[in-house]
Amino acid sequence: ETGVTQSPTHLIKTRGQQVTLRCSSQSGHNTVSWYQQALGQGPQFIFQYYREEENGRGNFPPRFSGLQFPNYSSELNVNALELDDSALYLCASRSGGRTDTQYFGPGTRLTVL
Amino acid sequence: QQQVKQSPQSLIVQKGGISIINCAYENTAFDYFPWYQQFPGKGPALLIAIRPDVSEKKEGRFTISFNKSAKQFSLHIMDSQPGDSATYFCAASISGNEKLTFGTGTRLTIIP
Repeated sequence: ETGVTQSPTHLIKTRGQQVTLRCSSQSGHNTVSWYQQALGQGPQFIFQYYREEENGRGNFPPRFSGLQFPNYSSELNVNALELDDSALYLCASRSGGRTDTQYFGPGTRLTVL
Repeated sequence: QQQVKQSPQSLIVQKGGISIINCAYENTAFDYFPWYQQFPGKGPALLIAIRPDVSEKKEGRFTISFNKSAKQFSLHIMDSQPGDSATYFCAASISGNEKLTFGTGTRLTIIP
């Protein structure tokens, strides 16, 4: 186990709705990244947060947004859900410093109907 | 420039055999190359990682071979076991940058 937890485990929404996914980083980790993993694909980088500020973004539209809190927990918000948003959403945390090792949580499986 | 290409898409190996998965990258700025193992319903777990200043890194039954000039790296699993059956992803990033660029994955099945 990595110490990174995510909630909920599974979620079903309908098209057009909004969703919030949560991540609790491993203790001592001040950076968090979010990834989207479609079925049968590798994870795709959504964005990263460092000390509560967005610090890098992948090719995802603005309806994907996030927050990082002072305790380094994090949220991913997706507005106006589309069918293609159905995927496993992963968060990964990393400690500061020179290490590049990222530790992934178990993910939230989002299904959009 | 940001792609990481992974092959094969699926692989079946007999127990005790050697499993080999290959990746190629384009962006010469990449300087960190991890391999992740993912079981169904779980998040990816770091298996082993390498930096381009060495050509090989071994941890137990897992070895990464790295060819900087060819921009290729590979994962070798020695004495493959049924418990190794999982999906394996190679990835690459630039030190200090959170963004991991993943390959498309290899589904490995170890048969008795």
